[in-house]
Amino acid sequence: GENVEQHPSTLSVQEGDSAVIKCTYSDSASNYFPWYKQELGKGPQLIIDIRSNVGEKKDQRIAVTLNKTAKHFSLHITETQPEDSAVYFCAATVDTGRRALTFGSGTRLQVQP
Amino acid sequence: GAGVSQSPSNKVTEKGKDVELRCDPISGHTALYWYRQSLGQGLEFLIYFQGNSAPDKSGLPSDRFSAERTGGSVSTLTIQRTQQEDSAVYLCASSPQRRAFFGQGTRLTVV
Repeated sequence: GENVEQHPSTLSVQEGDSAVIKCTYSDSASNYFPWYKQELGKGPQLIIDIRSNVGEKKDQRIAVTLNKTAKHFSLHITETQPEDSAVYFCAATVDTGRRALTFGSGTRLQVQP
Repeated sequence: GAGVSQSPSNKVTEKGKDVELRCDPISGHTALYWYRQSLGQGLEFLIYFQGNSAPDKSGLPSDRFSAERTGGSVSTLTIQRTQQEDSAVYLCASSPQRRAFFGQGTRLTVV
């Protein structure tokens, strides 16, 4: 089955700096890679996703890059703000709908004001 | 409501009792997932329903855990003879095909 590894487990940045979280996956058949943000006491919220036919996707201050050859993908947050502080999870699956998402272990991001 | 709804939001139960957790998915979503999240940990896959296909139960940790999805909509996760290690947040998500949307979770505490 799929295995997703995520680094770092914790990340502290100054407000306004950039943050980068990296994930690797094991199954070359995986072709859908979402990122979730989880705030304390809430369920994970989908913030951005990418399919394997695309190398990069941006949405305002958030971007995701995918290197299918190396089987890794990254989340980039620019101009970080205190409200970006949360736990971020990456995930991978095959988007035929026949397999559940496999999640990374999470990254706790702390943005210092 | 427009989102995934889970009930109860909190449940405290005595060790050895059975519990039922409910998930109301977003209308029209064919896929439904259950995950478990222990304190400060990641998301552990439990079970996955997709349309009329047989569910993927490969993540259920023991035969005390079971889930069903009636009429392709509401799902119930049942834990029999609860143990203290079952204490966690149980998260449900639904998806039209690919993008999965999570509910707020049920926090289960076994005392």
